[in-house]
Amino acid sequence: EPEVTQTPSHQVTQMGQEVILRCVPISNHLYFYWYRQILGQKVEFLVSFYNNEISEKSEIFDDQFSVERPDGSNFTLKIRSTKLEDSAMYFCASGGAHYEQYFGPGTRLTVT
Amino acid sequence: KNEVEQSPQNLTAQEGEFITINCSYSVGISALHWLQQHPGGGIVSLFMLSSGKKKHGRLIATINIQEKHSSLHITASHPRDSAVYICAVKRWGDMRFGAGTRLTVKP
Repeated sequence: EPEVTQTPSHQVTQMGQEVILRCVPISNHLYFYWYRQILGQKVEFLVSFYNNEISEKSEIFDDQFSVERPDGSNFTLKIRSTKLEDSAMYFCASGGAHYEQYFGPGTRLTVT
Repeated sequence: KNEVEQSPQNLTAQEGEFITINCSYSVGISALHWLQQHPGGGIVSLFMLSSGKKKHGRLIATINIQEKHSSLHITASHPRDSAVYICAVKRWGDMRFGAGTRLTVKP
């Protein structure tokens, strides 16, 4: 069964560094999403992406964040200058024409 | 006030019991999702609803758009159903998540 994959599973970085989180969505999906979950808190929507552009973004998704689909298969989330409060689990999801969503296993980001 | 409220927060059941988890929301939505988050953190989408009822195996999800309420039912619960169940509503512009209901099913 096709699945969404994410790499790395755990990323440790120093405050101020740039990180790129990678996702490989399911191949025929059209919609791509990033979410985050700070430890012990609710899941939060960051951004959705369709037709090679951002379709929706939350207030969390400020200028420090960007997304890209560089090669038609990967979907990346870049955080330009990480802060301690960016430490969280980041989930990628992809979906087809019926708006169902399939989640990846997540990347745990730890900012020290 | 949270836009998505789930109840109960925690639920412990004996194997075989019928489980109901509730979700109320206060905003206009285009769809509602029920998700399952495993102890390891992974998230699985169970249902996406915009009206009526859906069934998959022992799981049933219902939504009442007028009352802004959805329920997730688990029949014949099993210890492997132990997880956090999350309600999430899709609005124009974003998606809002409930805090989750932690279900523990004891053998």
